[in-house]
Amino acid sequence: QSALTQPASVSGSPGQSITISCTGTSSDIGSYNYVSWYQQHPGKAPKLMIYDVTNRPSGVSDRFSGSKSGNTASLTISGLRAEDEAEYFCASYASSITLLFGGGTKLTVL
Amino acid sequence: QVQLQESGPGLVKPSETLSLTCSVSGYFISIGYHWGWIRRPPGKGLEWIGTVSHTGTTYYSPSLRSRITISLDTSQNQFSLRLNSVTAADTAVYYCAKEGDSGFGAFHVWGQGTMVAVSS
Repeated sequence: QSALTQPASVSGSPGQSITISCTGTSSDIGSYNYVSWYQQHPGKAPKLMIYDVTNRPSGVSDRFSGSKSGNTASLTISGLRAEDEAEYFCASYASSITLLFGGGTKLTVL
Repeated sequence: QVQLQESGPGLVKPSETLSLTCSVSGYFISIGYHWGWIRRPPGKGLEWIGTVSHTGTTYYSPSLRSRITISLDTSQNQFSLRLNSVTAADTAVYYCAKEGDSGFGAFHVWGQGTMVAVSS
């Protein structure tokens, strides 16, 4: 099983919206609604931002939203803020009860 | 409020065994949920290592399965990771984490992480 595919980097200006894609296969994203997204700032532990494709944990801003189409999941951040600058990782349940992570996407707020 | 804290040696010699413990406060691990280990090697992304249920059922990464053991110690409210035959490729920050009332792999609470270097 290979890691999920994410763009290495994305950027946007404050106030804009950006979308980060996460591409898998029919054995993971395409078959299960167990996609999560994590935000990680340098030197910090990852923070769960989205789970089960579209759900936000309590305390996470509604500027963050998740979706899925076929084998690709997406994280959208609207109204970009400087504090959103971080690395973002997707994760998906995969067949045979395993968990795959994406390679990570570095978000730069210009 | 559930809190997790990793502990263990920061340096392990090649071919030896890496042993880490995750101490949990604010919740008894024997009651419920899944508890996992994730790592991040320098310059690379997150990698799932494995997960243990509150009943002790384990789920391991296929790429690490032959070398890892994850177990519960309910008397100490801890869970642990053992990784055998380590190499430099096992150098990473190791995190323990707790899943929530959601799908497999959604880790709602994380420890701060502990850096482990493999070097002679």
